[in-house]
Order: sequence, then C-alpha cells, then structure tokens
Amino acid sequence: GQNIDQPTEMTATEGAIVQINCTYQTSGFNGLFWYQQHAGEAPTFLSYNVLDGLEEKGRFSSFLSRSKGYSYLLLKELQMKDSASYLCAPMDSNYQLIWGAGTKLIIKP
Amino acid sequence: GAVVSQHPSRVICKSGTSVKIECRSLDFQATTMFWYRQFPKQSLMLMATSNEGSKATYEQGVEKDKFLINHASLTLSTLTVTSAHPEDSSFYICSARAQGEGANYGYTFGSGTRLTVV
Repeated sequence: GQNIDQPTEMTATEGAIVQINCTYQTSGFNGLFWYQQHAGEAPTFLSYNVLDGLEEKGRFSSFLSRSKGYSYLLLKELQMKDSASYLCAPMDSNYQLIWGAGTKLIIKP
Repeated sequence: GAVVSQHPSRVICKSGTSVKIECRSLDFQATTMFWYRQFPKQSLMLMATSNEGSKATYEQGVEKDKFLINHASLTLSTLTVTSAHPEDSSFYICSARAQGEGANYGYTFGSGTRLTVV
C-alpha cells in the first residue's frame, strides 16, 4: 500500500532551525512535494524534488533520497508566521499526490 | 503564477438542501481539477478527479450521485453536494495543475470552502 510517515507535531523556537522528516512508500514515484497549510486555509506550494539531493529556496530547503524513500524539509531563521502544518506529498506512478496528515509545527518566542 | 479561485469560502446550509462550490483557474487552462475533503486534523482526501468535457472519476467510497461534479470548460469545475447532511460538514478544496506547467509549480489549490450543514 501507499503510506506517508511524518511526525505529528514539532515545537521550535523563533530564529532557530527545524528539520521535518518524511518517509514514504508509493506505487511508483514521480517526485515529492512539500506544502504549507495554515489552520483553516488551503495548502500552498513550497517545494518539489524529483532527483536526489538538496533544493534550497530562501529560508526553506528540501532534501530527497529516492532509494531510502526519505525526504526532509529544513526551515531556517524560524518566524512566528511559520507556525503551520507541513505536508509531505509524494506523487505516484499515476501522477496522483499521496497525502499524509502532515506535521504541525509550533513556533515559540 | 497559476491562480485557482474557489467560491464560496464559507457556507452554512440546512440538512437536505444542496450546495454548489465553484473552482476557477484564472490564468491558465485546466483540463483536470481535483476535489479534496479535509476533516479537522486529518489529511487531505481526494474525492474525485474532474475532467473537462467528460465524466469525473470518483475515489472509492465517494458517492457520485451525492457529490455531483461538472467540468464544462477549461477554466471551471463545480462540485454540488446534494441533500447535504451534518456529516458532510467539512473543508472542501479544489486544485489544478496548469497545462504545460513546469513541475516546480506543483498543484495550485483554491482557498477552500468551509461547509457547515445544520
């Protein structure tokens, strides 16, 4: 079956760095997306990885290891507005996104 | 970038009535749109894939007669919740991916519709 595993909740301090891990099992693989979702709002796109390695985009970076079925999202210089849920979504062989419940990130001053 | 507009953002309706939710791609054409439902603290659940000019593809367990989908043009898909019941109260979200769009943009989501059935 298809499965996503992320921590349910994480807490970090403003200005710090946090890494949100994601392991996945899918039927085929066509890349992996990370989305941010604030409470009561729709998800917004953060990053897409299809090849192994690190993709850096400002304060956010995303890493992928296809052989390990593993990805992480790295958030630097955390701000209070980064408090949200972070969704790891791999794309299967049918180009369908597979969603987990996401990781709720709480930022404390 | 690609923008998807979804209306209404919130709706309260009485049990037994029907509610229509619209999803429009504003600056691109979308042959395919996706309809999701999300209950509190749960993951997005794909309900159906809407295909322009043809019938929608429903996920297992989703009643096609209850959740009517129409994708009559390349920029508009609608979801109608018929004979709504309190258990249909949820957050409904549409998404689309522009034709020819680079994968770096991912899927663009509408702002979502909070449906409350009383």
